[in-house]
Amino acid sequence: DAGVTQSPTHLIKTRGQQVTLRCSPISGHKSVSWYQQVLGQGPQFIFQYYEKEERGRGNFPDRFSARQFPNYSSELNVNALLLGDSALYLCASRMGRVNTGELFFGEGSRLTVL
Amino acid sequence: TQLLEQSPQFLSIQEGENLTVYCNSSSVFSSLQWYRQEPGEGPVLLVTVVTGGEVKKLKRLTFQFGDARKDSSLHITAAQPGDTGLYLCAGAGSNDYKLSFGAGTTVTVRA
Repeated sequence: DAGVTQSPTHLIKTRGQQVTLRCSPISGHKSVSWYQQVLGQGPQFIFQYYEKEERGRGNFPDRFSARQFPNYSSELNVNALLLGDSALYLCASRMGRVNTGELFFGEGSRLTVL
Repeated sequence: TQLLEQSPQFLSIQEGENLTVYCNSSSVFSSLQWYRQEPGEGPVLLVTVVTGGEVKKLKRLTFQFGDARKDSSLHITAAQPGDTGLYLCAGAGSNDYKLSFGAGTTVTVRA
């Protein structure tokens, strides 16, 4: 069975540009979460979507937005990119909404902002 | 700032030695998880501990949850080069939807 898949795996953008990252959860998983992992740090929670609705948001500016589609895949959008947005963006999926059951992570999308 | 503090930040040992990684917080968690992350990959769950004082063993890895559910430790016996990686602890509330991660401990086991 396929795990959590993310695309693209690597991308380079310049300051002020916009980026869209994509995630396909494990089949049957209705919850998708996004985390940002800056080099040398642990992942920081950005969003959780469950049943196509935003269920939680971390401490990130409004430049960050996301959505979940009817097939439970998800996109993370970041506008007006800053140098500090350079990070590994991780998508994770689970069956339910709350912290029961394992959270499965994808390999991440590494974003470099120049 | 990280809600969970991990120590040490870096650990380099020889194959066959033992090591312990610590995860501390001022907050109480309903559960605490340990992940291992290798370069270019996402974190992979090793274990979840939910009861204060709980000890879980996974082959050469021993995980302990503090009595007050604020801290945890990971002990590796007879470390092997395959144990090399970034070890992350993450805490969760009972009805919470997110995990709060520590900054991680980078473990290098030299052959």
